[in-house]
This record gives sequence, structure tokens and C-alpha cells, in this order.
Amino acid sequence: EVQLLESGGGLVQPGGSLRLSCAASGFTFSSHGMSWVRQAQEKGREWVSSISGSGGLTYYADSVKGRFTVSRDNSKNTLYLQMNSLRAEDTAVYYCAKIGATGLWYFDLWGRGTLVTVSS
Amino acid sequence: DIVMTQSPDSLAVSLGERATITCRSSQSVLYSSNNRNSLAWYQQKPGQPPKLLIYWASTRESGVPDRFSGGGSGTDFTLTISSLQAEDVAVYYCQQYYSTPPTFGQGTKVEIK
Repeated sequence: EVQLLESGGGLVQPGGSLRLSCAASGFTFSSHGMSWVRQAQEKGREWVSSISGSGGLTYYADSVKGRFTVSRDNSKNTLYLQMNSLRAEDTAVYYCAKIGATGLWYFDLWGRGTLVTVSS
Repeated sequence: DIVMTQSPDSLAVSLGERATITCRSSQSVLYSSNNRNSLAWYQQKPGQPPKLLIYWASTRESGVPDRFSGGGSGTDFTLTISSLQAEDVAVYYCQQYYSTPPTFGQGTKVEIK
């Protein structure tokens, strides 16, 4: 079955760290760019980060640049998001998503999301 | 960043009737190299992950029923459900992928009247 499954969300204090994972199955993971997109309650959906199929190219939203790091392990079909220096405004459901076509950042497969809550 | 604005925020339509959602971008998303609009539509049902319905403003993703259609060009776009079914109750989002960062509309909730 073609699917993405996120994990690693939870409650963390401001300034803390968390690593999200996204396990992919049912497609050739290494052939596709991947992204993280988040949605905070009462706020719109926000693109967070993207990574190329090889992992050699990474991109970040200004709001997370320098604090978050996206990576992937193609041998494990897994995408990661390392989140450091977390802030209250990072509280959101984080989705991993498969990029639809090289260089075209629409998303043709999404996971169910994992909730990150940043609070003391 | 390109701002995407959807209207209305919510919509109640009778079963079998047409539902139309509008999405407006703060600048044109027409991709000059292929003369296509870099605009996608998604559906998210409660408790489910988002699902891609349409890309390039009017190209239906494989498996999407043909009652869903996308239109428009430049800065103004529509998603139309020609005959609303009970399973279409969801929140619908537009998204531009013309420039980085990709940005989303705020969502339109479609319900049965």
C-alpha cells in the first residue's frame, strides 16, 4: 500500500528538541522529493521544509531556518525533521508529503500527521 | 510570499447540487514555460490525510471522480463539484507551487444542506 506514516510528535518545553520521522511505503522513495507541511489550529497550512530525492538539496521556510533540519535515509525509506529551539508558535500538526514532480511542489501523497505541542 | 485567499470559508449545498469554491492568488501563478497555472486543490476529510484532487489548475489526479473540476487562470481559480455527494463533505484547500515558499489557502468547509 502506498502510504506515509509520521511519528515522533509530543509535548516539549520551549527551547527543547524533537525529531519527527516519516516512514514511506509502496513507492520508490529515493526517486521523490519529500516535504514537511504543518498546520496550527486556527491557522493556515504552512510549508516547512523540502528535500530532494537524493537528499543533496534542502529547503526551509524562513520561520524555521537555522532551527530545523530535514534529512532522509533512503535505505530505510524514512524522512526526518530534527526540530531544535522549539517555540510555542511551532505547535502544530506536522505532515510529511511526497512531492508530485521534480521541481513542482504540489503534494500527491500525505501522511496523517503527528501533533507537536510546545508548552511549559 | 504569494497569498492565497479562498471564498467562502464554508459552504452548505444540497445533495446533487453544484458547489463552487473560489481561490485567488496575490500574483499570477501562470508558469510561462508551459503556459499552465501552478495551482493545486486538495480535499481533507475528518480523520484522514489530505488528498490531491487537481494540479495544473485543471488536471485531475488519477482516481478522482469527474464531478470534480478545476478552472481559472492567472490569479483567479475555481474548484467545482458538479453534483455534491455525501462523501464529498470535507475541507478543500488550494495551493500555489509557482514560487517558493508554496502557500495554501485557508480552506473551505463543504457541508450538506
